[in-house]
Amino acid sequence: KAGVTQTPRYLIKTRGQQVTLSCSPISGHRSVSWYQQTPGQGLQFLFEYFSETQRNKGNFPGRFSGRQFSNSRSEMNVSTLELGDSALYLCASSFAGTGGYEQYFGPGTRLTVT
Amino acid sequence: AQSVSQHNHHVILSEAASLELGCNYSYGGTVNLFWYVQYPGQHLQLLLKYFSGDPLVKGIKGFEAEFIKSKFSFNLRKPSVQWSDTAEYFCAVNERGGADGLTFGKGTHLIIQP
Repeated sequence: KAGVTQTPRYLIKTRGQQVTLSCSPISGHRSVSWYQQTPGQGLQFLFEYFSETQRNKGNFPGRFSGRQFSNSRSEMNVSTLELGDSALYLCASSFAGTGGYEQYFGPGTRLTVT
Repeated sequence: AQSVSQHNHHVILSEAASLELGCNYSYGGTVNLFWYVQYPGQHLQLLLKYFSGDPLVKGIKGFEAEFIKSKFSFNLRKPSVQWSDTAEYFCAVNERGGADGLTFGKGTHLIIQP
């Protein structure tokens, strides 16, 4: 079974621009979560989508948003990029909700904001 | 709010030594507990998980962890480490049955010297 895939793997953007990251979950998984990983803050939860609905959101500004499509694929958008948004963005999928099933992580998208 | 504390940020061991990585969490409700590993250049992989039942759980590659509810701990152990165990190890927690993402510890960088 194919794992979680994320595109693109690397991205360089300029301050003020916006970016969209994509995640395809493991086949049959309906829940997709997004995390930000930085050397200073570690791994932090951004939000979780289940059946096209955002069920929970971490402590991030409204510039961070996402959506999920009917095929469970998910996109994450960051508007008005700041230097501090440089990070590895990880997507994780689980069979159903995060409260009862383990999450499987993708390789991440490395975003660099200059 | 949930929090996870990993006591050792860097650990250096020789091959065949025994390993114990500490993890304590702060949360008032019922939790799921996880250990993830990130090998150099690879993505996060699930080592083991605890949802309920036997508090001693076994994972992949000879790792095990023990959930001690009274101590809010979920320490990771391996009786004899190998050079290939060199990696970053993350302890994580979320609410059982909830919609929360994972709350991660800051990670422990484990180096095994041959």
